[in-house]
Amino acid sequence: NAGVMQNPRHLVRRRGQEARLRCSPMKGHSHVYWYRQLPEEGLKFMVYLQKENIIDESGMPKERFSAEFPKEGPSILRIQQVVRGDSAAYFCASSTDNEKLFFGSGTQLSVL
Amino acid sequence: GEDVEQSLFLSVREGDSSVINCTYTDSSSTYLYWYKQEPGAGLQLLTYIFSNMDMKQDQRLTVLLNKKDKHLSLRIADTQTGDSAIYFCAERGSSGGYQKVTFGIGTKLQVIP
Repeated sequence: NAGVMQNPRHLVRRRGQEARLRCSPMKGHSHVYWYRQLPEEGLKFMVYLQKENIIDESGMPKERFSAEFPKEGPSILRIQQVVRGDSAAYFCASSTDNEKLFFGSGTQLSVL
Repeated sequence: GEDVEQSLFLSVREGDSSVINCTYTDSSSTYLYWYKQEPGAGLQLLTYIFSNMDMKQDQRLTVLLNKKDKHLSLRIADTQTGDSAIYFCAERGSSGGYQKVTFGIGTKLQVIP
């Protein structure tokens, strides 16, 4: 049973470009969470999704950021018009029933 | 809202015990977790405890929970250099109508050979 898969592992974008981060949850998991980790800081919750629904997006900036978890395919975290301050590690986690979260290896986003 | 606090840094000598502490504010917490993050990697679930338990032991790991004081600790016996990592405390509690998991900032454990 493969773990939570995130890709790409590293993503480099220039200011103003779009970043698309993908997360395939563990098999059988219908809950997906996105977290952001800045250097020397902890994990900041961004958004919690179930299949085709956003349950809690209270940690996600209102502008430029969006997330989806379609019926088929991976969850996508999309950042439009990236700025240098978006540079961070973005982690995805999944669970079956919100009990234990299993994390992917993260996507390191670097904005030049 | 809910909050989880941890100290930022802990240094111990190889072979000694490490104790990492955490406090939380959510009185509705049902589960409390310890995750480990090695450099360049994601978070790995180490252990967890139900809020109606006081202690849980798993090999070299001992988790103690004081629910009255909302204090959680992780003790690592016979600490090894491979234990060097960041340790995150997390709690699962009711927030916004669902059981939300909130993480602390992480404690960086440095093991000195």
